[in-house]
Amino acid sequence: AQRVTQPEKLLSVFKGAPVELKCNYSYSGSPELFWYVQYSRQRLQLLLRHISRESIKGFTADLNKGETSFHLKKPFAQEEDSAMYYCALRIGGTSYGKLTFGQGTILTVHP
Amino acid sequence: GAVVSQHPSWVICKSGTSVKIECRSLDFQATTMFWYRQFPKQSLMLMATSNEGSKATYEQGVEKDKFLINHASLTLSTLTVTSAHPEDSSFYICSAVGAGANVLTFGAGSRLTVL
Repeated sequence: AQRVTQPEKLLSVFKGAPVELKCNYSYSGSPELFWYVQYSRQRLQLLLRHISRESIKGFTADLNKGETSFHLKKPFAQEEDSAMYYCALRIGGTSYGKLTFGQGTILTVHP
Repeated sequence: GAVVSQHPSWVICKSGTSVKIECRSLDFQATTMFWYRQFPKQSLMLMATSNEGSKATYEQGVEKDKFLINHASLTLSTLTVTSAHPEDSSFYICSAVGAGANVLTFGAGSRLTVL
């Protein structure tokens, strides 16, 4: 079965510092990877997906099939980036809601 | 943009009673809705996929008689926790995908506390 691992439950950085939230997955096929974010008192929302190859709010994530990773990066963290971040995987061909989530990482950006 | 509403956002009930949680897509028709469960400080776990007009598909280990899902219209899915017990206390989140869409929209979640 597929699995998503986010090794860090908590991550703290100072404003302006680079930040990397790690995500590793295990799946033998070709998955689709996502990053979802949940700001305080708000609902879960899509941040970015690997197939879009886009940068959202300064965040980027590259799918590394060799290392089975999909780390989320931002060169200069901002206080408003503080939130819970979930990495998620979808098996190709399955419904878009059939996601396997990682445990989540709480990012705190200090002023 | 697409909005998914959940109601109630918080419910407390006595052990043995049943609780219904509603999930509505407010500005789009949701052909498929999904129910997740989130334990404190843990990840979201997909419970079931709800398709309009047909039976829900439950994930392995989820009791379909315990968690009744109904998707009677393109804008409403309900999750009923039957004969709730304290171990059913959790945060239940629904999400929806519109026809032809490839983006999942989440509800704000419903916190169930069973006394």
